[in-house]
Amino acid sequence: EVQLLESGGGLVQPGGSLRLSCAASGFKFTDYAMSWVRQAPGKGLEWVAGISGHGGSTKYADAVKGRFTISRDSSTDTLHLHLSSLRADDTAIYYCAKDITVMPTIRGAYFDYWGQGTLVSVSS
Amino acid sequence: DIQMTQSPSSLSASVGDRVTITCRASQDIVDSLNWYQQKAGRAPKLLIYDASRLQDGVPSRFSGSGSGTEFSLSISSLQPDDFATYYCQQSYISPPWTFGQGTKVEI
Repeated sequence: EVQLLESGGGLVQPGGSLRLSCAASGFKFTDYAMSWVRQAPGKGLEWVAGISGHGGSTKYADAVKGRFTISRDSSTDTLHLHLSSLRADDTAIYYCAKDITVMPTIRGAYFDYWGQGTLVSVSS
Repeated sequence: DIQMTQSPSSLSASVGDRVTITCRASQDIVDSLNWYQQKAGRAPKLLIYDASRLQDGVPSRFSGSGSGTEFSLSISSLQPDDFATYYCQQSYISPPWTFGQGTKVEI
């Protein structure tokens, strides 16, 4: 059974940093790209970043480029998202999602499994 | 970026009704369109991929259609478990993958 379990969310001041983690199980971790998708309170879904199965390729949304870093550790089957220079509009639930392909931006891909999410609140 | 526009933003329906949600892309995305269901306080769940293919385990009352720029998600006979928010997502050009703004189906 595929399971994705996020952790690391919390309250952080504007300009601060945070690292989110997503522990994966039930599938061969390196065979699939992974992404982070966020949802601001009461709002829709926004793709944030994606990474290839072996970690060599990463993609980012313009809103987070240069501030967020996606990475993965195949020794522990864990996906990470390092958030820095945080702003109030980064406040959201952050979901990790498993792709059906090995690369993060292949045409026709989709997210077949999602974690339960972790809340990041940016406020002074 | 490809913009995805859903309509309506919300709708009221009753158990047993047929419901249709529309998603329009700002450019031709062929059939690279996916649908997700999200219940309150829960993670999204994949329903339909490649515009019309039903994800394993999803009830057959859900169906998807369309190509190019116009797509739709239909629920043939609405069940109590179907009251949720539905999102379309294009997977034609990335980054970024983009989602519609959501359609809330309520009683």
